[in-house]
Amino acid sequence: EDQVTQSPEALRLQEGESSSLNCSYTVSGLRGLFWYRQDPGKGPEFLFTLYSAGEEKEKERLKATLTKKESFLHITAPKPEDSATYLCAVRGGSEKLVFGKGTKLTVNP
Amino acid sequence: SAVISQKPSRDICQRGTSLTIQCQVDSQVTMMFWYRQQPGQSLTLIATANQGSEATYESGFVIDKFPISRPNLTFSTLTVSNMSPEDSSIYLCSVGERVETQYFGPGTRLLVL
Repeated sequence: EDQVTQSPEALRLQEGESSSLNCSYTVSGLRGLFWYRQDPGKGPEFLFTLYSAGEEKEKERLKATLTKKESFLHITAPKPEDSATYLCAVRGGSEKLVFGKGTKLTVNP
Repeated sequence: SAVISQKPSRDICQRGTSLTIQCQVDSQVTMMFWYRQQPGQSLTLIATANQGSEATYESGFVIDKFPISRPNLTFSTLTVSNMSPEDSSIYLCSVGERVETQYFGPGTRLLVL
């Protein structure tokens, strides 16, 4: 059974303080790893898809990386507007995405 | 990406009643999915709804409890039947041409008393 574990559950940063979020996964035949951002009261917003180990994707202050066992979402010099819950999901052999519980990020000004 | 709306955005219901949630997309899409997001839990797939065929339910979810309709390529409904407080959750629809490319609606926040 495909599984996704995200850590930490919550992270507080000062504005400008860079850090990383972790997504560990076990899956039979990875067919994609996905990062979403979810703001309070809203649905998840798609950020990145990674397909193979070594792949990297960037968008503004965010960079996602992938190894054979985990993915990192690096946040460089975050701003308060980066505060959100970040969700990681994988697709293995089944016709569905399996999500982690998310990391709630708070960036203080 | 598609513009997705859900109705109602939130509701408070009495136990034993049923609620139907609507998901509307501004363009035709192949796949529509229904998820449940309970506090502190992972986003969990309830079922996949494809137009012209029966919905495919995930383990732990049954059609009698969560009947789904998909009458066309832009619309779907999820009914939460005979509700109990354990059904209090956020219900989300997502759409996409493939499993890998899903875009989510804003969600329906349900509280069952």
